[in-house]
Amino acid sequence: GESVGLHLPTLSVQEGDNSIINCAYSNSASDYFIWYKQESGKGPQFIIDIRSNMDKRQGQRVTVLLNKTVKHLSLQIAATQPGDSAVYFCAENSGGSNYKLTFGKGTLLTVNP
Amino acid sequence: SQTIHQWPATLVQPVGSPLSLECTVEGTSNPNLYWYRQAAGRGLQLLFYSVGIGQISSEVPQNLSASRPQDRQFILSSKKLLLSDSGFYLCAWRGETQYFGPGTRLLVL
Repeated sequence: GESVGLHLPTLSVQEGDNSIINCAYSNSASDYFIWYKQESGKGPQFIIDIRSNMDKRQGQRVTVLLNKTVKHLSLQIAATQPGDSAVYFCAENSGGSNYKLTFGKGTLLTVNP
Repeated sequence: SQTIHQWPATLVQPVGSPLSLECTVEGTSNPNLYWYRQAAGRGLQLLFYSVGIGQISSEVPQNLSASRPQDRQFILSSKKLLLSDSGFYLCAWRGETQYFGPGTRLLVL
């Protein structure tokens, strides 16, 4: 079964606002986490990742925060744009070097112009 | 650079017919390869992974099988499709992280 879940299945924001997508995971042994963006009919696209020895990582307009105490992961998107509209998935690796990922159900982000 | 291909992009098959989906990776050697299935509006479920030619690990009991006849080729098969096999099938390879192909949409009628 799935061990990674999301607090909000849908999120609607205005263009230019910041977005925060949350994810809870249950396997405390997971050592690597990834956020993916999936547009309709396409394969998931890598956004950003973080290892369990870190609590924050920043990319271009995106930041991932990891709170191992409460097993919580979040993705922050700054200045959200219409092109950011998609389903966002978090994934955790509890399979060691084989990278067998467990995915959450996803959050649909809609950006209103 | 590395690229991953899947075909066909879309497939409509009758119940009871066989299935063969192909995935190939370019620009890397001996990658870990993965097959996932995504039901409509759901997350991805890992079906199989392979760490090398002829090495297949099955993650969930099902009507499907996988094979890896060549280093950069991963095939998903079935002898007789079920209605419940419908879904979006995604192949992935492991580089610095896990990268996905464009997917195959399978509809079993």
